[in-house]
Amino acid sequence: KAGVTQTPRYLIKTRGQQVTLSCSPISGHRSVSWYQQTPGQGLQFLFEYFSETQRNKGNFPGRFSGRQFSNSRSEMNVSTLELGDSALYLCASRGGPHSTDTQYFGPGTRLTVL
Amino acid sequence: EDQVTQSPEALRLQEGESSSLNCSYTVSGLRGLFWYRQDPGKGPEFLFTLYSAGEEKEKERLKATLTKKESFLHITAPKPEDSATYLCAVGGNNNDMRFGAGTRLTVKP
Repeated sequence: KAGVTQTPRYLIKTRGQQVTLSCSPISGHRSVSWYQQTPGQGLQFLFEYFSETQRNKGNFPGRFSGRQFSNSRSEMNVSTLELGDSALYLCASRGGPHSTDTQYFGPGTRLTVL
Repeated sequence: EDQVTQSPEALRLQEGESSSLNCSYTVSGLRGLFWYRQDPGKGPEFLFTLYSAGEEKEKERLKATLTKKESFLHITAPKPEDSATYLCAVGGNNNDMRFGAGTRLTVKP
């Protein structure tokens, strides 16, 4: 079974631009979560989608948004990029929406904002 | 609020020197405790899920245990390839996952 895939793997943007990241979950998984990982803050939860509906949202500004499509693929968008948005963005999928379900992570997208 | 604290922040071992990593948690209704391994620049790799106090799971040189307040990841006779950051996460009643800051393990040959 193929794992979680994320595209692109690396991205360089300048301040003020916007960016869209993509995530394809493991086949059959309907839950997709997004995380931001930085050396200082560790793994920070952004949001989770299940069956095209946002179920949970972390403490991030409205510049961070996402969506999920009917095939469970998900996209995350960051508008008006700031230097502090430089991070590894990780996507994780799980079969169900419950805390008992294990999340499996993709390789991440490394975003650098100049 | 759910909290996860991992200790130590960093651990340096000689090859073959066994040790344990700690994950302390406070959560409203533990549904699952998860251990991951993360190599630099890569996504976390799933290791174990534990669901109830007293549960133990093993995989090669790793063994995870769970009590009502903490989990331990025991590493027996580690090898240099075990060097990585080990992350602990808990799932509670609100269905999200809270991650600890991780323990950075270095195993010297």
